[in-house]
Amino acid sequence: LAKTTQPISMDSYEGQEVNITCSHNNIATNDYITWYQQFPSQGPRFIIQGYKTKVTNEVASLFIPADRKSSTLSLPRVSLSDTAVYYCLVGDPPRGGSQGNLIFGKGTKLSVKP
Amino acid sequence: GAVVSQHPSWVICKSGTSVKIECRSLDFQATTMFWYRQFPKQSLMLMATSNEGSKATYEQGVEKDKFLINHASLTLSTLTVTSAHPEDSSFYICSARGLSGSSYEQYFGPGTRLTVT
Repeated sequence: LAKTTQPISMDSYEGQEVNITCSHNNIATNDYITWYQQFPSQGPRFIIQGYKTKVTNEVASLFIPADRKSSTLSLPRVSLSDTAVYYCLVGDPPRGGSQGNLIFGKGTKLSVKP
Repeated sequence: GAVVSQHPSWVICKSGTSVKIECRSLDFQATTMFWYRQFPKQSLMLMATSNEGSKATYEQGVEKDKFLINHASLTLSTLTVTSAHPEDSSFYICSARGLSGSSYEQYFGPGTRLTVT
């Protein structure tokens, strides 16, 4: 499984766009990139997954360059409630994949201030 | 999205006793369930994978005789922490995976906080 590297923490202010970058230099051809959000004492919540280029949903956008060695989760206009830990996972995708054993890295703790 | 529940949401037990945690998929059939453990300020660590009707597969370093996993139905998996000790105090999270239409989807439960005194 490809190892991921993310910043340990990030600070932002309400209303700003937040971009969290994840490095995954050893990503395999079949690997997808998935991001989860976790609030304290709660289970992780799926945010977005993608394979290449750009994926957008109602919550976030995911940018993946052509070499796929990194990816960026973009959260538009964050609010205080977006304060959480964000995990970047590389491997079999939770949606549509065949395995399901999601391996979590250290994650990025995002703090949104008023 | 689909709902996965865990019961109890928190539990306190005495050292040496056993504790059972339930994980249920409420509106879909989970052919596979995963159990994770998360210590404070750390990431989730996969403990084991269980497929309905078969024995669980444990990750390296996880004692199968201490963490008993049963996946007897497509909607229920249980994790029993046997002879619990204070170092077993942690946040236990399950994840359920099943077919939704023609592809698989996977959802996490809300977690169970175990405190061993």
